[in-house]
Amino acid sequence: GENVEQHPSTLSVQEGDSAVIKCTYSDSASNYFPWYKQELGKRPQLIIDIRSNVGEKKDQRIAVTLNKTAKHFSLHITETQPEDSAVYFCAGMDTGFQKLVFGTGTRLLVSP
Amino acid sequence: DGGITQSPKYLFRKEGQNVTLSCEQNLNHDAMYWYRQDPGQGLRLIYYSQIVNDFQKGDIAEGYSVSREKKESFPLTVTSAQKNPTAFYLCASSTGQPGQETQYFGPGTRLLVL
Repeated sequence: GENVEQHPSTLSVQEGDSAVIKCTYSDSASNYFPWYKQELGKRPQLIIDIRSNVGEKKDQRIAVTLNKTAKHFSLHITETQPEDSAVYFCAGMDTGFQKLVFGTGTRLLVSP
Repeated sequence: DGGITQSPKYLFRKEGQNVTLSCEQNLNHDAMYWYRQDPGQGLRLIYYSQIVNDFQKGDIAEGYSVSREKKESFPLTVTSAQKNPTAFYLCASSTGQPGQETQYFGPGTRLLVL
């Protein structure tokens, strides 16, 4: 089955800096990789996703890159703002069971 | 997200008691999921259902049970066999169709043991 690893577990940046969170996956057939943002006490919310037929996707200050050969994908946040502070989860699709497998999360802290 | 509701928001369980968490969606989604989240931890899959009247165990199903009698509803029962049930429980749904794998989460239920 799919196994997803996520690094780092915590990330502290200054406002305006860029932040990068990396995930690796094991299922070479996996074809869908979403990123969720979870604020304290709230539900996870999808912020961006990418499919295996695309190498990069951008949405304003957020981008995701996918390297199928190396089986890793990354979330890039530019010009970080204090409201970006949250826990971010990556996930990969377990194609055998058609379920998402989540990484362990990255706590991002953006200091003013 | 607005189409998935969970109740109650907070739930207290006594020793030896079974409790049921509600999850309802009006998104016409075929697939529904239950996750457990412990403080400062990730999401662990308890049970999932890809179609009515069918469900599969996730990674931590012991001490939990589910039913899927209606497309809109996927209740989770935390049984007395679950010795450490204190956690944040999240329900999610998706269309279940290839190319539409996005899962949308409900607001969650926080379960506490008295």
